[in-house]
Order: sequence, then C-alpha cells, then structure tokens
Amino acid sequence: NAGVMQNPRHLVRRRGQEARLRCSPMKGHSHVYWYRQLPEEGLKFMVYLQKENIIDESGMPKERFSAEFPKEGPSILRIQQVVRGDSAAYFCASSPAGGNPSGYTFGSGTRLTVV
Amino acid sequence: DAKTTQPNSMESNEEEPVHLPCNHSTISGTDYIHWYRQLPSQGPEYVIHGLTSNVNNRMASLAIAEDRKSSTLILHRATLRDAAVYYCILRDGNYGGSQGNLIFGKGTKLSVKP
Repeated sequence: NAGVMQNPRHLVRRRGQEARLRCSPMKGHSHVYWYRQLPEEGLKFMVYLQKENIIDESGMPKERFSAEFPKEGPSILRIQQVVRGDSAAYFCASSPAGGNPSGYTFGSGTRLTVV
Repeated sequence: DAKTTQPNSMESNEEEPVHLPCNHSTISGTDYIHWYRQLPSQGPEYVIHGLTSNVNNRMASLAIAEDRKSSTLILHRATLRDAAVYYCILRDGNYGGSQGNLIFGKGTKLSVKP
C-alpha cells in the first residue's frame, strides 16, 4: 500500500516560470491538504481539497497560487510566475473521508528552489 | 486551534528515555493532543494522540496532565533514528469539514547522541 506520493522531489525554476507540484493521495483517501515549510520553520497550512472541491483555501496566497484535485489523477499545486520567496518545501497530506489523526499521512515533499 | 509551547531543542543519549514537554494552557474541552515528528528531509509522521487518558503505542507514550494544560511525549529508549523535530498540536475533535488542517509550531528539535 503505497503512501502519499509527491513529485517531483526537487524542482528548480527561474523567476517568472511556473511550478507544478503533484500529489497522489493514499489509496482510499479522498481528502488532500497542502502545506508549505520555509527553512527552519514549521509547516503552514495552505489548502484543503476533496475530489473536485476546494474546502478551505484560507492559507493560500491570493495571487499566483492555485490548487485542484480532479476526479481522476493527482492533486496539483500550481504556482505561476514564481519569485525567490516561493522557495520552500511543499508537503501534501491525505486522509480518509471524515478524517482521523492516525490516517493523516504526509508525503516526502517537493523542494522548490527559485533561482 | 489553541496554541502550544515547546522547548526549541533537547538532547538525549542513545538507549535512554526522553521526555518531550508541551504546554497548552488554553486547551479547550474538545481539543485532542496530537504529536507528529519530522525526520530530516521527510514529511511529518503521526506519532500519537490523546484526549484525557495516558496513551501508549508502539512508537511512544503520551502522558497528559490531569488539568490537560500540559502533556509529555515519552520515548522509552531513544535511538539515533528518533532524531527529529517533534510537534505538539491541538486539534478540535471534529476532524471533518474545514477542521481538517493542522497548525504546526516550530516544535522541539531532538538530538540523540550515540
């Protein structure tokens, strides 16, 4: 039973380019969460999605960031026109419907570097 | 979600017990106490959770104060693989809906010496 899969593991983008981060939840999990972690900081919640629905995007920057979780395929976190401040580790987590703490599983993250 | 306070760092010797404290003086009656840990270059990993009673699992034990304003994560025999940042997080008992996100602080960085 594969865990939460994130790819790519490392991503380098030049300023102004787009970054696409992918997250495949655990089998049977229908809820996906995206977090961002700056160096030496704790994780910060960004967005919570269910299939085809954004449930809570209170942690998402208002511009340039978007997320989706289509009916088929992985969840995508998209960052347009990246800037150096977007450099961070981005983690995805998944849980089953209704949630429970032992079922909240994180991926290994995507480390985005903007040069 | 209420706030938690943890020491920035702690050191332990291998094979010895480790007690990681967490203060949460503003905890509400429906808040569960969760612990996650993050190994270097990895995502957070669930460790344990509890409400009022002490809890044990294969990874650790959780001791909760009677007034629930503090708790302690206990690793019974630290190994080098336990070196990680440990996060104490409070979360409302309603896991569904918009309560799905976790609020991470800076956690406690545990170093384990051989």
